[in-house]
Amino acid sequence: EAGVAQSPRYKIIEKRQSVAFWCNPISGHATLYWYQQILGQGPKLLIQFQNNGVVDDSQLPKDRFSAERLKGVDSTLKIQPAKLEDSAVYLCASSLESGSNSPLHFGNGTRLTVT
Amino acid sequence: AQSVTQLDSQVPVFEEAPVELRCNYSSSVSVYLFWYVQYPNQGLQLLLKYLSGSTLVKGINGFEAEFNKSQTSFHLRKPSVHISDTAEYFCAVRPIQGAQKLVFGQGTRLTINP
Repeated sequence: EAGVAQSPRYKIIEKRQSVAFWCNPISGHATLYWYQQILGQGPKLLIQFQNNGVVDDSQLPKDRFSAERLKGVDSTLKIQPAKLEDSAVYLCASSLESGSNSPLHFGNGTRLTVT
Repeated sequence: AQSVTQLDSQVPVFEEAPVELRCNYSSSVSVYLFWYVQYPNQGLQLLLKYLSGSTLVKGINGFEAEFNKSQTSFHLRKPSVHISDTAEYFCAVRPIQGAQKLVFGQGTRLTINP
C-alpha cells in the first residue's frame, strides 16, 4: 500500500512569511495527525482529525497555525506569519481508526527552516 | 497527563554488541506503549508495541522490549546490533481510553561503530 505522502520535503522561508504543507494519508485512514518535531526533541501533536472534524488541537498555536481537512482525505497545515522558533520537521501521520491500539503511519516529513 | 523520559540522549555501541535503550513513563491512567525508529531524513516507523498480555514483546529487526508496570518502564533491547540500526529511537505512550494522544519521549540517538 502507498504510504503517507507529504510535500514539500524542504522549505526555507524568512520570518513573518507564510508557508503551507500538504499531506495525503493512506487510503481509507479516517484519522490524520500533524506533529511538530523540533531538533533534539520528540514529536509533539499539533492537531488530530477524525474524518473532516477536529478531535484535538489543544497544542496548536492558533494565532499563527491553521489546518484543514475539508473532504476528510488530504490535509494542509499553514503557518502565518512564521517565527524563528517554528523551524522544525512537520510530520503527518494517519491511522485506520482513532482507537489507541490503531498504529500510526508517518510520512517522511517537511523540514522547515525559518531565517 | 502522560510523560515519557528516555534516560539517554545518545548511545554509542560497537557492531555486534548488545544494546539497551531505556524508557520510563508517567501516567495516571493505563496506557499502551510503543517504540518507534526514525532513520535519517525519514518519518517514524513502528518497531513494536505493548497492548496487553506477555510483558516481553518482539518487534521488527530483532528488537524486543519488556514492560515493567511496577517500575513504569519499557526498555528496548537488541542482543547484537548492526550498522544499519543507526537511527533515532522514540518511546511513546497512549492512554487506553479517553484522550488518545500519542506522547513521545525526547528520543535516543543510537550510533553503531564498526
